[in-house]
Amino acid sequence: QKEVEQNSGPLSVPEGAIASLNCTYSDRGSQSFFWYRQYSGKSPELIMFIYSNGDKEDGRFTAQLNKASQYVSLLIRDSQPSDSATYLCAVNMDPKSGYSTLTFGKGTMLLVSP
Amino acid sequence: EAGVTQSPTHLIKTRGQQVTLRCSPISGHTSVYWYQQALGLGLQFLLWYDEGEERNRGNFPPRFSGRQFPNYSSELNVNALELEDSALYLCASSWGQGNQPQHFGDGTRLSIL
Repeated sequence: QKEVEQNSGPLSVPEGAIASLNCTYSDRGSQSFFWYRQYSGKSPELIMFIYSNGDKEDGRFTAQLNKASQYVSLLIRDSQPSDSATYLCAVNMDPKSGYSTLTFGKGTMLLVSP
Repeated sequence: EAGVTQSPTHLIKTRGQQVTLRCSPISGHTSVYWYQQALGLGLQFLLWYDEGEERNRGNFPPRFSGRQFPNYSSELNVNALELEDSALYLCASSWGQGNQPQHFGDGTRLSIL
């Protein structure tokens, strides 16, 4: 069964610190990786996507991908209380057939304290 | 640019009833996806439509069905509602197939009494 695994948390960090969120996936053929942020009671909001091994930076966010280890992470620098949310890792598990189905992890709750 | 819009925002139904949820994708997006987010279960893929055709289906019973219209908007129909169908139903859209990022609407919260 194809799976995306995340630590449920909560991950607690002080304001201004770096938050590191991790995700592993089971399908070695996966090629597309996405991070969504979901505030309580709201819908997921896309914050980063990465397709190639290495790092991708966008503002305070950095996505890191290591396909050999089947591992993707999200770093949030200078964490703010407004970053407190659940972060969902999503992986395209069936790229060979051209399908766009995303498999989601259950999310990691991040709490940033002032 | 308007985002993905879903209607209604909330619904209350009873067991055995039928429900139709609606979704309008971002302008220019041809693919529409439906997901179910039930408490404790995370986001589960339901259906994917592209260019009016059903392209993929998740592990849900046939009473979950839908369609996509020529203007790329979509409906999700759920027949014979059961208590466990209570969930947030999310619609997402993307530009074409493959690796394109999906953007979500605000969802429809369905409660079954």
